[in-house]
Amino acid sequence: GENVEQHPSTLSVQEGDSAVIKCTYSDSASNYFPWYKQELGKGPQLIIDIRSNVGEKKDQRIAVTLNKTAKHFSLHITETQPEDSAVYFCAANPNDYKLSFGAGTTVTVRA
Amino acid sequence: NAGVTQTPKFRILKIGQSMTLQCTQDMNHNYMYWYRQDPGMGLKLIYYSVGAGITDKGEVPNGYNVSRSTTEDFPLRLELAAPSQTSVYFCASSYLPPGSRDGYTFGSGTRLTVV
Repeated sequence: GENVEQHPSTLSVQEGDSAVIKCTYSDSASNYFPWYKQELGKGPQLIIDIRSNVGEKKDQRIAVTLNKTAKHFSLHITETQPEDSAVYFCAANPNDYKLSFGAGTTVTVRA
Repeated sequence: NAGVTQTPKFRILKIGQSMTLQCTQDMNHNYMYWYRQDPGMGLKLIYYSVGAGITDKGEVPNGYNVSRSTTEDFPLRLELAAPSQTSVYFCASSYLPPGSRDGYTFGSGTRLTVV
């Protein structure tokens, strides 16, 4: 099945700096790559996604890039703010019915 | 809209006890999923359903059972609780397969401790 690896497991950044989280996947059939943000005590929430026919997508301070040849995709958060502190998960779809998730990255934004 | 509702939010079980984690959604979603979240392990798929009456195993189905008698409800059953089932359980749903339009909508989770 699909194996999604996510790095780093923890990330501490100064407020205003950028944060980058990287994921790799194993199944070349995967064509959808969402990112979820999980705040303390809550369920994960979709923040951005990208499909295999697109190399980059941006939404305000967050952006995602995809390299299908190398089978990796990344989340970029610019001008980080304290409210960006959370656990972030990447995911890929090994088939049409379900998502496989990375292990998560705990992001801490220092004021 | 309520979205995806999970009950209970917290539960402590003794080894060997059984319980049902409830999940209901009011968005008329066809696809529903149960994941467990363990520290540093991400989200592992337990079971999923592509519609009423249809269920299938995920990565870690042992010790669990599900049913999908209606579109709205997708309960997860633990028959003989074991300490290894201590985890946070998330239910999720989507209208179309992930990637067709949107990703999942998650519930707020059930934190289960087996002692």
